[in-house]
Amino acid sequence: LAKTTQPISMDSYEGQEVNITCSHNNIATNDYITWYQQFPSQGPRFIIQGYKTKVTNEVASLFIPADRKSSTLSLPRVSLSDTAVYYCLVGYSNYQLIWGAGTKLIIKP
Amino acid sequence: NAGVTQTPKFQVLKTGQSMTLQCAQDMNHEYMSWYRQDPGMGLRLIHYSVGAGITDQGEVPNGYNVSRSTTEDFPLRLLSAAPSQTSVYFCASSPGQGRYEQYFGPGTRLTVT
Repeated sequence: LAKTTQPISMDSYEGQEVNITCSHNNIATNDYITWYQQFPSQGPRFIIQGYKTKVTNEVASLFIPADRKSSTLSLPRVSLSDTAVYYCLVGYSNYQLIWGAGTKLIIKP
Repeated sequence: NAGVTQTPKFQVLKTGQSMTLQCAQDMNHEYMSWYRQDPGMGLRLIHYSVGAGITDQGEVPNGYNVSRSTTEDFPLRLLSAAPSQTSVYFCASSPGQGRYEQYFGPGTRLTVT
């Protein structure tokens, strides 16, 4: 049974790099990993997506090891406005979508 | 582009009433989905569509119907509202054709008394 597991909460400080790791079993070659950010009373917002190795965009990086059983979202130099819930999502080839329960990230001044 | 729009923003129903939550997207996306999010919890997939005329059940489909007669619209019908359906409902769309990032609407907050 596919499952996606991530830490319930994390704390960090402004200016630090934050890494949030997600574990996902039973992932196949064509299955993709996506991360979303959600603020209170808003819908989730897409951050980054990848299949393997490393992907980087203007806001984050996504690291996926060779076995693809985990992935790490890296947020460089966080600010107070990065306080939010971060969700890991694995999309399987049959359109099955397995969401993690979310990681509540609190950034302190 | 307006992106993904949802109406209404808020709704209160009595047990047994029915209603339709509206969702529209103007990005010509193939995929559309409905989720519910209970307080302090994650997202659960209700129904999804991979194109006009094609729908399928997600994780928690009971008590809900969907249809997709056009690419743009994907309404969610509550057949006979129950207090257990009190939640925030999000509609999302994604481009398809190898691109799976989802774009979410602002949500509908539903209370069933």
